[in-house]
Amino acid sequence: DTEVTQTPKHLVMGMTNKKSLKCEQHMGHRAMYWYKQKAKKPPELMFVYSYEKLSINESVPSRFSPECPNSSLLNLHLHALQPEDSALYLCASSQDPIPNTGELFFGEGSRLTVL
Amino acid sequence: AQTVTQSQPEMSVQEAETVTLSCTYDTSESDYYLFWYKQPPSRQMILVIRQEAYKQQNATENRFSVNFQKAAKSFSLKISDSQLGDAAMYFCAYKTLSGNTPLVFGKGTRLSVIA
Repeated sequence: DTEVTQTPKHLVMGMTNKKSLKCEQHMGHRAMYWYKQKAKKPPELMFVYSYEKLSINESVPSRFSPECPNSSLLNLHLHALQPEDSALYLCASSQDPIPNTGELFFGEGSRLTVL
Repeated sequence: AQTVTQSQPEMSVQEAETVTLSCTYDTSESDYYLFWYKQPPSRQMILVIRQEAYKQQNATENRFSVNFQKAAKSFSLKISDSQLGDAAMYFCAYKTLSGNTPLVFGKGTRLSVIA
């Protein structure tokens, strides 16, 4: 099983809503990532979890709140988002945080629209 | 800081022909990894090919090969016998060996394959 599964695939929410994006992998990977991707742009790193602990936060606004309940699951909680937060949110995993060979396994993404 | 530059925002190739995508990078490190990732429309990003900087031999994966010029800091991707399924966004990426540092992506090259 070499899949990273993300749900939901599409999400529309208002600026006052609270929603969550979910990501799951069963490859035994110990690092998990959230990326944000705007159309025709490269992915931008948001958060990295290593061994279920937050290791990198790329100065992401607090309206995005990550959570790693266990080594297979990664959530991104969304609250009071802005229309400019509309994007494709990608989850990825890699085998080991250190040494990190950089080979990432990506999910298909959750396309978020904020109205 | 490391940077990755893809100077071709868009490229096109006839089916069965060969195309080369360019990538240059800037780093003061001597050991690192370089990658090409492929992101088809509405599908997940996947790793196409990886090159370790300490290896002089160019990496190959079936129809995909790289031309790695370490002194020139150049890392181009050659796709032979292009197929319709090769149409995608291609991202060049760099990864230092040290610690849990994230991938650095280029801005991407959109490849169209003409039947």
